[in-house]
Amino acid sequence: QQQVKQSPQSLIVQKGGISIINCAYENTAFDYFPWYQQFPGKGPALLIAIRPDVSEKKEGRFTISFNKSAKQFSLHIMDSQPGDSATYFCAASWGSARQLTFGSGTQLTVLP
Amino acid sequence: NAGVTQTPKFQVLKTGQSMTLQCAQDMNHNSMYWYRQDPGMGLRLIYYSASEGTTDKGEVPNGYNVSRLNKREFSLRLESAAPSQTSVYFCASSETFPSGNTIYFGEGSWLTVV
Repeated sequence: QQQVKQSPQSLIVQKGGISIINCAYENTAFDYFPWYQQFPGKGPALLIAIRPDVSEKKEGRFTISFNKSAKQFSLHIMDSQPGDSATYFCAASWGSARQLTFGSGTQLTVLP
Repeated sequence: NAGVTQTPKFQVLKTGQSMTLQCAQDMNHNSMYWYRQDPGMGLRLIYYSASEGTTDKGEVPNGYNVSRLNKREFSLRLESAAPSQTSVYFCASSETFPSGNTIYFGEGSWLTVV
């Protein structure tokens, strides 16, 4: 079963705090793990992504941690800002057409 | 550069009516996709087209048909709309593996079936 489980469903963080969103998967055929950010009324947009041969990837305030043996990966948002308030989806990519299987999403609210 | 363009943005249908969602991309991508987004369920793949001339079923294909008209365009058709098809539909495109991994999404089409 192609499935990615995401938690928490919603998250409220104070400005300047750290936001952490977790995902877990079962299918070892997944070979690329992106995170998408979605603002209301817009389509998802790629935020950051990692391959399973790397344990961590950092881009600015956003970091992905990847644990291949546990089949888990997480998104850390450092120094969270109100502008980061959005829905975040983890995903896993497979197949030659790069089909994405998405997690159920986390609605992040950063309080000013 | 428009990226992925979907039409219409909003549509209300009566049960049993048919309609086609149109999608076009201007990035010369080989692969195109249709996803639906429902609250608490993330985005689920309906159909995809790995390259011009091919289409394949995704996770939730029942009640839908697709046409890859050419490299730029990929349409989604609802032959007999049902209330369960009320959703937000996203078209997306990407380069074909291994040359690319980023999938680009359109802004969505809000469909309500009454």
